[in-house]
Amino acid sequence: DTEVTQTPKHLVMGMTNKKSLKCEQHMGHRAMYWYKQKAKKPPELMFVYSYEKLSINESVPSRFSPECPNSSLLNLHLHALQPEDSALYLCASSQLDPTTNEKLFFGSGTQLSVL
Amino acid sequence: GDSVTQMEGPVTLSEEAFLTINCTYTATGYPSLFWYVQYPGEGLQLLLKATKADDKGSNKGFEATYRKETTSFHLEKGSVQVSDSAVYFCALSYTGNQFYFGTGTSLTVIP
Repeated sequence: DTEVTQTPKHLVMGMTNKKSLKCEQHMGHRAMYWYKQKAKKPPELMFVYSYEKLSINESVPSRFSPECPNSSLLNLHLHALQPEDSALYLCASSQLDPTTNEKLFFGSGTQLSVL
Repeated sequence: GDSVTQMEGPVTLSEEAFLTINCTYTATGYPSLFWYVQYPGEGLQLLLKATKADDKGSNKGFEATYRKETTSFHLEKGSVQVSDSAVYFCALSYTGNQFYFGTGTSLTVIP
């Protein structure tokens, strides 16, 4: 199994809603990531979890709240989002091995629209 | 700081044409270099990578050589197909968990 699975594929939410994005991998990877990608732009790193601990937070607003319940799962909780938060949210994972330079495995993303 | 610069797109080619997408990088150390491809409505997929100078990454007819002297990692393919239409991202990474992506180059191949 070399997949990163994201759900839902599409999400429409109002600015007062609370929703969650989910990501799952069963490759034994110990690093998991959230990226945000606007149309025709490269992915922008939001958060990195290493060994289930938050290791990087790229100054993301608190209306985005990540959670890593275990080594296979990564969630992104959304609350009081703004229309400009509409984007493709990508989850990724990688092995953590200091002796090699590992690659990222990406999910297909959740296309989020905030109305 | 570290960064990646890609050629501006979009690029439109006829089927079987030769493809080059330029990528140059700025790095304080010796990173690994990657090309990722993103098909419409999907996440990014690793296309190829090179971990040190003079390494050549190759996959599905695509090639790129890590050139330290010119700080480049240009993507090439001898004969593109319609199915190659996608957005291509050049990226660098030191540790495998902190990637710097270029802005992406959109490729459209017409029959």
